[in-house]
Amino acid sequence: GQQLNQSPQSMFIQEGEDVSMNCTSSSIFNTWLWYKQDPGEGPVLLIALYKAGELTSNGRLTAQFGITRKDSFLNISASIPSDVGIYFCAGHWGTYKYIFGTGTRLKVLA
Amino acid sequence: EAQVTQNPRYLITVTGKKLTVTCSQNMNHEYMSWYRQDPGLGLRQIYYSMNVEVTDKGDVPEGYKVSRKEKRNFPLILESPSPNQTSLYFCASSHLELTGFPTEAFFGQGTRLTVV
Repeated sequence: GQQLNQSPQSMFIQEGEDVSMNCTSSSIFNTWLWYKQDPGEGPVLLIALYKAGELTSNGRLTAQFGITRKDSFLNISASIPSDVGIYFCAGHWGTYKYIFGTGTRLKVLA
Repeated sequence: EAQVTQNPRYLITVTGKKLTVTCSQNMNHEYMSWYRQDPGLGLRQIYYSMNVEVTDKGDVPEGYKVSRKEKRNFPLILESPSPNQTSLYFCASSHLELTGFPTEAFFGQGTRLTVV
């Protein structure tokens, strides 16, 4: 079946640093989504990408839809303590099913 | 306030005892879906619904049923729960984009189910 590889699995960073994480798919995707999940909460949609090459920002967050349509990247600039959480990528390839990555756990050292 | 509401938030049950987890959204969304979240596996889609009376299987539908009799409600039914269905469950809803496909935008707070 379809698989999404998300990396890194976890990362510690210093407050103020920039963060990068990515997802790769075994097949071409039509939509890429990025979410953040805080403990005890449901995922919250951060950024949605619909076209290959698309670059979209949401505050300090920037995400890109890879040209090959098989990958996507999320960057967080100038990280702050409230960025702590699990970040998920998700996407679909033109069906109504969604696939999620396994998550990147972000921990910020103040 | 736009929201997806799941009930209950926590549930402990015994093997084989039928249960239903309710999900309701107040945004008139066409698309609704159920996910389970297990450590290290991310979220996996169980079932989804494109509209009233239209449902289809996600990646892990075995052991689950759903129904969509009204647009706002999408209950998840476990006819005979087993311990391997112990998990954190999320309901989600979204409108359909101009492309005709959904953007999974709104998630409920989750239901933590334990089957003993």
